[in-house]
Amino acid sequence: DSGVTQTPKHLITATGQRVTLRCSPRSGDLSVYWYQQSLDQGLQFLIQYYNGEERAKGNILERFSAQQFPDLHSELNLSSLELGDSALYFCASSVGDGEGSGNTIYFGEGSWLTVV
Amino acid sequence: AQSVTQLGSHVSVSEGALVLLRCNYSSSVPPYLFWYVQYPNQGLQLLLKYTSAATLVKGINGFEAEFKKSETSFHLTKPSAHMRDAAEYFCAVSPSGFQKLVFGTGTRLLVSP
Repeated sequence: DSGVTQTPKHLITATGQRVTLRCSPRSGDLSVYWYQQSLDQGLQFLIQYYNGEERAKGNILERFSAQQFPDLHSELNLSSLELGDSALYFCASSVGDGEGSGNTIYFGEGSWLTVV
Repeated sequence: AQSVTQLGSHVSVSEGALVLLRCNYSSSVPPYLFWYVQYPNQGLQLLLKYTSAATLVKGINGFEAEFKKSETSFHLTKPSAHMRDAAEYFCAVSPSGFQKLVFGTGTRLLVSP
């Protein structure tokens, strides 16, 4: 158990809908990351928040958005869903925010999203 | 941009045989390198990481990796495979100064009795 908690574990929804994925980081971790794992694109970094502020952005679509709340949990919002958004979405957390620290990033077990 | 290349999408070994999973990195500056393992229907678990302290890095479950700058490689090895090692293994690089991970395409390790 990494200590990173993600809900829901599985989600099936229709095209055009909107869903919210939730993540609670490990106790004491200030950074939260979101990754997408799909068969065709592999593991891709989406976005990072550090202590409530957006820190780095990756290949995140404009239809997707995220935020980190004062209690440090994070939500990833996916809207106008398409079939191609079906994937495993991982949340991860770490203590620091970068600066070459090489801090360990711990991953949750992921949220499986199926768009039908 | 920094990246990693994993050679071989599938590697098959017999139980007790040497495991060698290959990873080459592309980086203009000293990188931070990681190996993660993903067991079926589970999240990613860190096996080991290189942060320039030592070129030979020992990780969990008997795995180790050696950073070779001259070959831009960070191959993962284990002397003797167990059935429980069957999983997907990902090499990743963290660009210096940032913590986001850039992953390779993964190598699925199959272990036969």
